[in-house]
Amino acid sequence: NAGVTQTPKFQVLKTGQSMTLQCAQDMNHNSMYWYRQDPGMGLRLIYYSASEGTTDKGEVPNGYNVSRLNKREFSLRLESAAPSQTSVYFCASIVAGLSDEQFFGPGTRLTVL
Amino acid sequence: AQTVTQSQPEMSVQEAETVTLSCTYDTSESDYYLFWYKQPPSRQMILVIRQEAYKQQNATENRFSVNFQKAAKSFSLKISDSQLGDAAMYFCAYRSTTTSGTYKYIFGTGTRLKVLA
Repeated sequence: NAGVTQTPKFQVLKTGQSMTLQCAQDMNHNSMYWYRQDPGMGLRLIYYSASEGTTDKGEVPNGYNVSRLNKREFSLRLESAAPSQTSVYFCASIVAGLSDEQFFGPGTRLTVL
Repeated sequence: AQTVTQSQPEMSVQEAETVTLSCTYDTSESDYYLFWYKQPPSRQMILVIRQEAYKQQNATENRFSVNFQKAAKSFSLKISDSQLGDAAMYFCAYRSTTTSGTYKYIFGTGTRLKVLA
């Protein structure tokens, strides 16, 4: 039982490049989330998914797309990376209605030059 | 929209002493959950304690306890007998229910706690 896993752990991109951050959970959770963490800003919600095939915008969705193709995986895509997207990205999941606790992945540190 | 405010960017405490971290929130909901998360230098987010809004009794987990004042919309975390391992960033979080039936979490900006030996 690995919990919530994220790949990669670190990534450096050049402005304009694209990439996908991967997240997977093996806890059979329904809901999954993507956050970004910036100094002095706390964690801000980018997108979330209540269940397979559904996604909703969070607080800061601009510049990102997500995909929830199955129950386990929730990916975050940057189509054209910008320096403002330099951040630490966290994926999280819960079983809505059954669990109080949000389980977090280890995070991905992304730098856009 | 709900908001969460942590007004103390940084706090220090002597080892074995007690420290209180502040959190206030704004909401029009009557039923919700509040959480404190700890983030050590490893970056891993760790749940410290949770409080259900409809429960008047303050939650306690070993050396960690909260002072939940629903009318004042205040949710402070008290750490007793502070240990060096308590040094971390602490985030207050509010959980609300979305129209799609899942939860959304709003986090404060965090308080960095330093523990002095």
